[in-house]
Amino acid sequence: DAGVTQSPTHLIKTRGQHVTLRCSPISGHKSVSWYQQVLGQGPQFIFQYYEKEERGRGNFPDRFSARQFPNYSSELNVNALLLGDSALYLCASTSGSSYNSPLHFGNGTRLTVT
Amino acid sequence: DAKTTQPPSMDCAEGRAANLPCNHSTISGNEYVYWYRQIHSQGPQYIIHGLKNNETNEMASLIITEDRKSSTLILPHATLRDTAVYYCIAAAFAGGTSYGKLTFGQGTILTVHP
Repeated sequence: DAGVTQSPTHLIKTRGQHVTLRCSPISGHKSVSWYQQVLGQGPQFIFQYYEKEERGRGNFPDRFSARQFPNYSSELNVNALLLGDSALYLCASTSGSSYNSPLHFGNGTRLTVT
Repeated sequence: DAKTTQPPSMDCAEGRAANLPCNHSTISGNEYVYWYRQIHSQGPQYIIHGLKNNETNEMASLIITEDRKSSTLILPHATLRDTAVYYCIAAAFAGGTSYGKLTFGQGTILTVHP
Protein backbone atom coordinates (compact mmCIF):
# COMPACT_ATOMS: atom_id res chain seq x y z
CA ASP A 1 0.00 0.00 0.00
CA ALA A 2 1.16 3.51 -0.76
CA GLY A 3 2.16 5.60 2.21
CA VAL A 4 1.54 9.30 2.69
CA THR A 5 2.66 11.12 -0.44
CA GLN A 6 3.63 14.78 -0.61
CA SER A 7 4.38 17.05 -3.51
CA PRO A 8 6.57 18.66 -4.50
CA THR A 9 9.59 17.20 -2.71
CA HIS A 10 11.60 20.41 -2.99
CA LEU A 11 10.61 23.99 -3.65
CA ILE A 12 12.43 27.31 -3.82
CA LYS A 13 10.45 30.53 -3.41
CA THR A 14 11.21 34.21 -2.96
CA ARG A 15 10.18 36.31 0.04
CA GLY A 16 6.64 37.63 -0.31
CA GLN A 17 5.49 34.86 -2.63
CA HIS A 18 2.78 32.31 -1.95
CA VAL A 19 3.21 28.52 -1.85
CA THR A 20 0.85 25.53 -1.96
CA LEU A 21 1.95 22.13 -0.69
CA ARG A 22 -0.03 18.98 -1.34
CA CYS A 23 -0.60 15.76 0.57
CA SER A 24 -2.34 12.49 -0.19
CA PRO A 25 -3.07 10.39 2.90
CA ILE A 26 -2.92 6.64 3.17
CA SER A 27 -6.00 5.07 1.59
CA GLY A 28 -8.80 4.91 4.15
CA HIS A 29 -7.32 7.59 6.40
CA LYS A 30 -9.66 10.50 7.01
CA SER A 31 -7.43 12.68 9.18
CA VAL A 32 -4.53 14.76 7.89
CA SER A 33 -2.12 16.82 9.95
CA TRP A 34 0.57 19.27 8.91
CA TYR A 35 3.87 19.89 10.68
CA GLN A 36 6.77 22.28 10.17
CA GLN A 37 10.29 21.13 10.96
CA VAL A 38 13.02 23.72 11.09
CA LEU A 39 16.57 22.43 10.81
CA GLY A 40 17.81 20.95 14.06
CA GLN A 41 14.43 20.87 15.77
CA GLY A 42 11.56 18.43 16.11
CA PRO A 43 8.43 18.83 13.99
CA GLN A 44 5.90 21.45 15.15
CA PHE A 45 2.17 20.99 14.74
CA ILE A 46 0.44 23.39 12.34
CA PHE A 47 -3.03 22.01 11.53
CA GLN A 48 -5.18 18.96 11.75
CA TYR A 49 -8.17 18.17 9.54
CA TYR A 50 -10.68 15.40 9.97
CA GLU A 51 -13.55 14.77 7.61
CA LYS A 52 -12.77 18.07 5.88
CA GLU A 53 -13.10 20.13 9.06
CA GLU A 54 -10.31 21.83 10.96
CA ARG A 55 -9.90 20.07 14.30
CA GLY A 56 -6.77 21.68 15.62
CA ARG A 57 -4.41 24.57 14.96
CA GLY A 58 -0.95 25.20 16.30
CA ASN A 59 0.69 28.50 17.11
CA PHE A 60 1.22 29.72 13.56
CA PRO A 61 0.23 33.05 11.98
CA ASP A 62 -2.79 33.50 9.74
CA ARG A 63 -0.49 33.40 6.72
CA PHE A 64 -0.75 29.65 7.12
CA SER A 65 -3.97 28.00 5.99
CA ALA A 66 -5.05 24.56 4.91
CA ARG A 67 -7.98 22.63 3.59
CA GLN A 68 -9.03 19.05 3.08
CA PHE A 69 -10.85 17.79 0.02
CA PRO A 70 -13.66 15.22 -0.31
CA ASN A 71 -11.09 12.55 -1.22
CA TYR A 72 -9.26 13.42 2.07
CA SER A 73 -6.22 14.87 0.34
CA SER A 74 -5.05 18.18 1.70
CA GLU A 75 -3.29 21.42 0.80
CA LEU A 76 -1.21 23.68 2.99
CA ASN A 77 -0.99 27.28 1.83
CA VAL A 78 1.49 29.86 3.07
CA ASN A 79 1.15 33.50 2.00
CA ALA A 80 3.68 36.31 2.12
CA LEU A 81 6.61 33.99 2.62
CA LEU A 82 9.35 34.96 5.06
CA LEU A 83 12.90 33.66 5.22
CA GLY A 84 11.94 31.95 8.49
CA ASP A 85 9.38 29.81 6.68
CA SER A 86 12.22 27.80 5.20
CA ALA A 87 11.69 24.32 6.62
CA LEU A 88 10.64 20.75 5.96
CA TYR A 89 6.85 20.58 5.82
CA LEU A 90 5.48 17.22 6.85
CA CYS A 91 2.06 15.75 6.31
CA ALA A 92 0.74 12.89 8.42
CA SER A 93 -2.41 10.83 8.23
CA THR A 94 -4.35 8.53 10.52
CA SER A 95 -7.69 6.82 10.39
CA GLY A 96 -8.44 8.68 13.61
CA SER A 97 -10.73 5.91 14.73
CA SER A 98 -8.84 4.51 17.70
CA TYR A 99 -5.69 4.79 19.75
CA ASN A 100 -4.31 1.94 17.68
CA SER A 101 -4.22 4.20 14.66
CA PRO A 102 -0.94 6.10 14.98
CA LEU A 103 0.13 8.96 12.75
CA HIS A 104 1.99 8.01 9.60
CA PHE A 105 4.19 10.68 8.07
CA GLY A 106 5.22 11.43 4.52
CA ASN A 107 8.79 12.40 3.66
CA GLY A 108 7.90 16.05 3.44
CA THR A 109 8.38 19.03 1.17
CA ARG A 110 11.61 20.94 1.63
CA LEU A 111 10.79 24.65 1.21
CA THR A 112 13.58 27.16 0.79
CA VAL A 113 12.70 30.86 0.87
CA THR A 114 15.33 33.21 -0.53
CA ASP B 1 0.60 16.89 26.33
CA ALA B 2 3.01 15.95 29.08
CA LYS B 3 6.61 17.08 28.68
CA THR B 4 9.12 14.33 27.97
CA THR B 5 12.84 14.37 28.67
CA GLN B 6 15.37 12.34 26.68
CA PRO B 7 19.17 12.25 26.61
CA PRO B 8 20.44 14.28 23.64
CA SER B 9 22.61 11.47 22.28
CA MET B 10 23.49 7.82 22.74
CA ASP B 11 25.85 5.33 21.13
CA CYS B 12 25.33 1.63 20.54
CA ALA B 13 27.43 -1.11 19.00
CA GLU B 14 25.96 -2.93 16.04
CA GLY B 15 24.27 -6.16 17.09
CA ARG B 16 23.78 -5.03 20.66
CA ALA B 17 20.53 -3.93 22.23
CA ALA B 18 19.87 -0.20 22.23
CA ASN B 19 17.98 1.02 25.30
CA LEU B 20 16.61 4.53 24.92
CA PRO B 21 15.18 6.10 28.09
CA CYS B 22 12.43 8.68 28.36
CA ASN B 23 11.15 10.54 31.37
CA HIS B 24 7.52 11.67 31.45
CA SER B 25 6.91 12.31 35.13
CA THR B 26 3.84 14.51 34.57
CA ILE B 27 2.03 12.11 32.26
CA SER B 28 -1.70 11.98 32.85
CA GLY B 29 -3.87 8.89 32.98
CA ASN B 30 -5.20 9.18 29.44
CA GLU B 31 -1.88 9.88 27.75
CA TYR B 32 -0.14 7.23 25.72
CA VAL B 33 3.61 6.99 25.21
CA TYR B 34 4.53 7.05 21.50
CA TRP B 35 7.93 6.49 19.96
CA TYR B 36 8.90 7.73 16.53
CA ARG B 37 12.24 7.90 14.79
CA GLN B 38 13.49 10.10 12.00
CA ILE B 39 16.26 9.12 9.68
CA HIS B 40 17.99 12.00 7.97
CA SER B 41 15.88 13.69 5.28
CA GLN B 42 12.89 11.45 5.85
CA GLY B 43 9.62 11.91 7.71
CA PRO B 44 9.20 10.51 11.23
CA GLN B 45 8.51 6.79 11.32
CA TYR B 46 6.12 5.29 13.87
CA ILE B 47 7.78 2.63 16.04
CA ILE B 48 5.51 1.66 18.91
CA HIS B 49 3.14 3.02 21.54
CA GLY B 50 1.64 1.96 24.86
CA LEU B 51 -0.47 3.08 27.78
CA LYS B 52 0.67 1.10 30.81
CA ASN B 53 1.49 -2.42 29.67
CA ASN B 54 4.75 -3.37 28.03
CA GLU B 55 4.44 -3.67 24.28
CA THR B 56 6.41 -5.48 21.61
CA ASN B 57 6.24 -5.45 17.85
CA GLU B 58 8.51 -6.40 14.99
CA MET B 59 10.60 -3.26 15.41
CA ALA B 60 11.02 -2.78 19.14
CA SER B 61 9.85 -3.28 22.70
CA LEU B 62 8.44 -0.62 24.98
CA ILE B 63 8.83 -0.95 28.71
CA ILE B 64 6.73 1.44 30.82
CA THR B 65 7.34 1.67 34.56
CA GLU B 66 4.49 0.83 36.87
CA ASP B 67 4.05 4.47 37.92
CA ARG B 68 4.17 5.46 34.20
CA LYS B 69 6.68 8.21 34.91
CA SER B 70 9.28 6.78 32.58
CA SER B 71 9.72 4.34 29.75
CA THR B 72 12.44 2.62 27.73
CA LEU B 73 12.46 1.82 24.05
CA ILE B 74 14.48 -1.30 23.29
CA LEU B 75 15.87 -2.12 19.87
CA PRO B 76 16.97 -5.71 20.48
CA HIS B 77 19.69 -6.01 17.83
CA ALA B 78 20.69 -2.58 16.59
CA THR B 79 21.94 -2.22 13.02
CA LEU B 80 23.63 0.68 11.27
CA ARG B 81 20.26 1.51 9.69
CA ASP B 82 18.85 2.23 13.16
CA THR B 83 20.99 5.37 13.37
CA ALA B 84 18.37 8.13 13.69
CA VAL B 85 16.75 10.68 15.98
CA TYR B 86 14.33 8.95 18.33
CA TYR B 87 11.39 10.88 19.73
CA CYS B 88 9.41 9.95 22.82
CA ILE B 89 6.01 11.65 22.96
CA ALA B 90 3.22 11.59 25.52
CA ALA B 91 -0.15 12.32 23.95
CA ALA B 92 -3.78 11.73 24.71
CA PHE B 93 -5.96 10.06 22.17
CA ALA B 94 -8.73 12.50 21.43
CA GLY B 95 -11.10 9.71 20.67
CA GLY B 96 -13.58 9.17 17.92
CA THR B 97 -13.02 12.00 15.56
CA SER B 98 -9.55 13.36 15.81
CA TYR B 99 -6.02 12.46 16.64
CA GLY B 100 -3.34 14.35 14.89
CA LYS B 101 -1.33 16.50 17.24
CA LEU B 102 1.96 15.27 18.60
CA THR B 103 4.36 17.50 20.52
CA PHE B 104 7.90 16.61 19.48
CA GLY B 105 10.88 17.49 21.65
CA GLN B 106 14.52 17.40 20.62
CA GLY B 107 14.72 13.62 20.77
CA THR B 108 17.75 11.37 21.21
CA ILE B 109 20.30 11.02 18.44
CA LEU B 110 21.17 7.32 18.41
CA THR B 111 24.37 6.43 16.60
CA VAL B 112 24.96 2.75 15.91
CA HIS B 113 28.61 2.04 15.14
CA PRO B 114 30.26 -1.06 13.70
